[in-house]
Amino acid sequence: EAGVAQSPRYKIIEKRQSVAFWCNPISGHATLYWYQQILGQGPKLLIQFQNNGVVDDSQLPKDRFSAERLKGVDSTLKIQPAKLEDSAVYLCASGSRDSLLHEQFFGPGTRLTVL
Amino acid sequence: SQQGEEDPQALSIQEGENATMNCSYKTSINNLQWYRQNSGRGLVHLILIRSNEREKHSGRLRVTLDTSKKSSSLLITASRAADTASYFCASRGGTSYGKLTFGQGTILTVHP
Repeated sequence: EAGVAQSPRYKIIEKRQSVAFWCNPISGHATLYWYQQILGQGPKLLIQFQNNGVVDDSQLPKDRFSAERLKGVDSTLKIQPAKLEDSAVYLCASGSRDSLLHEQFFGPGTRLTVL
Repeated sequence: SQQGEEDPQALSIQEGENATMNCSYKTSINNLQWYRQNSGRGLVHLILIRSNEREKHSGRLRVTLDTSKKSSSLLITASRAADTASYFCASRGGTSYGKLTFGQGTILTVHP
């Protein structure tokens, strides 16, 4: 089966600019996650969707980050305006309802550099 | 803050040797998972151990879990150069929507 797709793979912007990332999860997976991974650290969950509803966004900096999953399939994560400290890899992952407590499948990530 | 702490931060071994990585977590869990990350394949799930299990095997991987000490270890036996990667433990909380919390990771280098 096709894996989790993300685009773009790389993005370079200047601080205060806006950026958006796109994710298409594995077909049929109800749960979608966005993680931020800063260099040298493990991934940190930003937001978790179950279908098109938000389950957990406690670590999402809501003053500048937003995410949506309108039709319960693909999702976009937006940063506006970007700060230097947002430089990181943004990972999207998905999981089936049956595997809600089980493994997650990760996309290749988008590497963001904020100058 | 990240829940898990991993030890060591970096490990360098020769092919054929065994590699052991340790992970600690802070709160109760439903399960603990190990993932591998390298530039070629991204973040990939390796093995999952439930809170009521103490040991699990998968190929060359052996995972142990000690819930009384809130710790886990990953053993890779007969390592290969292809095992070179970063390894992360990730703990899953007890609720149905419990999030996956990753440790800082161990960078493993296997020299041919």
